[in-house]
Amino acid sequence: EDQVTQSPEALRLQEGESSSLNCSYTVSGLRGLFWYRQDPGKGPEFLFTLYSAGEEKEKERLKATLTKKESFLHITAPKPEDSATYLCAVQATGTASKLTFGTGTRLQVTL
Amino acid sequence: DAGITQSPRHKVTETGTPVTLRCHQTENHRYMYWYRQDPGHGLRLIHYSYGVKDTDKGEVSDGYSVSRSKTEDFLLTLESATSSQTSVYFCAISTNWEGAEAFFGQGTRLTVV
Repeated sequence: EDQVTQSPEALRLQEGESSSLNCSYTVSGLRGLFWYRQDPGKGPEFLFTLYSAGEEKEKERLKATLTKKESFLHITAPKPEDSATYLCAVQATGTASKLTFGTGTRLQVTL
Repeated sequence: DAGITQSPRHKVTETGTPVTLRCHQTENHRYMYWYRQDPGHGLRLIHYSYGVKDTDKGEVSDGYSVSRSKTEDFLLTLESATSSQTSVYFCAISTNWEGAEAFFGQGTRLTVV
């Protein structure tokens, strides 16, 4: 059974204080690992897809990396507008694009 | 933003009544999904569709049925709502069978009393 565990559950940072979110996964055969951002009362917003170990993707202050067992979402010099819940999901091969999600990391960035 | 509209956005219903949630897309994507989101569980797949009239079950399909008579519409029906189906429901769409990202709608908050 595919599993995704995210840590920490919640993280509070001051503006400019860099940190990383962790996503550990077990999957029979990884087709892709996905990062989403979710704001309160809204649907998840797609951020990145990673397909193989060693791959990295960047978008503004966010950088996602992937190993064979986990993925990290690095947040560099965060701003208050980066406050959101960040979700990680995996897709196994042969599963018709079905995603298995973690429970998310709730990030709060304060001034 | 991907053209996905969910309706209604909020609904309160009584136990035992049927409920239908609608997902409408304007992107002409082939694959559509229904997820539910509950505290402590993350998003879980209920049903998905890989074409008109082609649907299959996800991991939490008991008590739910779906229909897709047109590419743009994917309906989720709770035949007889129960309190355990109180949740936030999200529709998603995708272009490919594997490897493609999914785009989500804004969600429907359903309360069963």
